[in-house]
Amino acid sequence: DGGITQSPKYLFRKEGQNVTLSCEQNLNHDAMYWYRQDPGQGLRLIYYSQIVNDFQKGDIAEGYSVSREKKESFPLTVTSAQKNPTAFYLCAAGGSGGPQETQYFGPGTRLLVL
Amino acid sequence: SQKIEQNSEALNIQEGKTATLTCNYTNYSPAYLQWYRQDPGRGPVFLLLIRENEKEKRKERLKVTFDTTLKQSLFHITASQPADSATYLCALDTGRRALTFGSGTRLQVQP
Repeated sequence: DGGITQSPKYLFRKEGQNVTLSCEQNLNHDAMYWYRQDPGQGLRLIYYSQIVNDFQKGDIAEGYSVSREKKESFPLTVTSAQKNPTAFYLCAAGGSGGPQETQYFGPGTRLLVL
Repeated sequence: SQKIEQNSEALNIQEGKTATLTCNYTNYSPAYLQWYRQDPGRGPVFLLLIRENEKEKRKERLKVTFDTTLKQSLFHITASQPADSATYLCALDTGRRALTFGSGTRLQVQP
């Protein structure tokens, strides 16, 4: 997991509530990514950012929002518009070269709905 | 439609045997393909990257092949050990500056 920290490890969301997942990296990588993983499934891309103050939607961006104000931080907000938020959320960082770069993943945050 | 397919059924093998996992894709022409290992409840860890002009890549007991005609990558673990038990994910370059992951194959190595 080295160099990528995600908090909290577990997060509980009440209906109608927005929650924010934290992702911090000390690897000095330009690019950062958020993925969602459902049980027995692969990783689905939510948002990614190649550079500070810029980000792009992935395959399942609806109901989520991000910001990239600092190189080392890429928080993900799960909004109340996301009707099925229960999942394992993974943050990653890598070089800005995109798919030719190794991605380094954090330990993940498990989001549960109360 | 565009798809990345990995065998959803778990692969069970005996210790010491070679494990072979498959990643098939359709309607992509990736320049790069990567393999990751994921243990339960943890983030994936990078294993190998192979480029479209490379047929084979090796790292210790691991070997990856990349056949752009068949649109397939094979991932081999030789002399498998129980510690190799994990889920293995392939990830492709799909024309954007981010990887697209397959759903993974769970490998179980029996002692």
